[in-house]
Amino acid sequence: GENVEQHPSTLSVQEGDSAVIKCTYSDSASNYFPWYKQELGKGPQLIIDIRSNVGEKKDQRIAVTLNKTAKHFSLHITETQPEDSAVYFCAASPYNQGGKLIFGQGTELSVKP
Amino acid sequence: SAVISQKPSRDICQRGTSLTIQCQVDSQVTMMFWYRQQPGQSLTLIATANQGSEATYESGFVIDKFPISRPNLTFSTLTVSNMSPEDSSIYLCSVEADPLTEAFFGQGTRLTVV
Repeated sequence: GENVEQHPSTLSVQEGDSAVIKCTYSDSASNYFPWYKQELGKGPQLIIDIRSNVGEKKDQRIAVTLNKTAKHFSLHITETQPEDSAVYFCAASPYNQGGKLIFGQGTELSVKP
Repeated sequence: SAVISQKPSRDICQRGTSLTIQCQVDSQVTMMFWYRQQPGQSLTLIATANQGSEATYESGFVIDKFPISRPNLTFSTLTVSNMSPEDSSIYLCSVEADPLTEAFFGQGTRLTVV
């Protein structure tokens, strides 16, 4: 079955710097790749997603890139702010369903003022 | 996006007992899912809650331990049966409003078994 690896597990940056989180997946049939942000005591919040027919997607300070050949996708956050501090999860869906997901292990991002 | 309410938000339960978690959505959705998030870990899919039929369970999860109901398009329950301390986790409801669209999560139910 699908397996998603996420790196790094922790990431600390200075406010205003960029942050990059990388994920790899194993199942070439996967075609949907969302990213979720989880703050302490809350459920995961969808921040951006990408489908396999697109190589890059951007939403303000957040962007996601997808390399289907290499089976990896990345989250890029520019101009980081302290409120970006949270745990970020990547996920992949080999079922062509947005809700049936295999998650990465998570990255704890800390943005220092 | 759909607004998802889970009850209870947290509970402390005695081992050997059962707890039923409710998930209510403010609009009709096609798909509902249940996930488990063990302490400090990632999310693992337990099952897909099917409206009007038995849930579809993922490998490692069985109906006797995690019975699920979905009587209509806005509501589902997950029961954690015969609990042990290893069941201490956050249980999350997720919905997919329309087929092949993004999924949204509830705030989760934090369960502690003592």
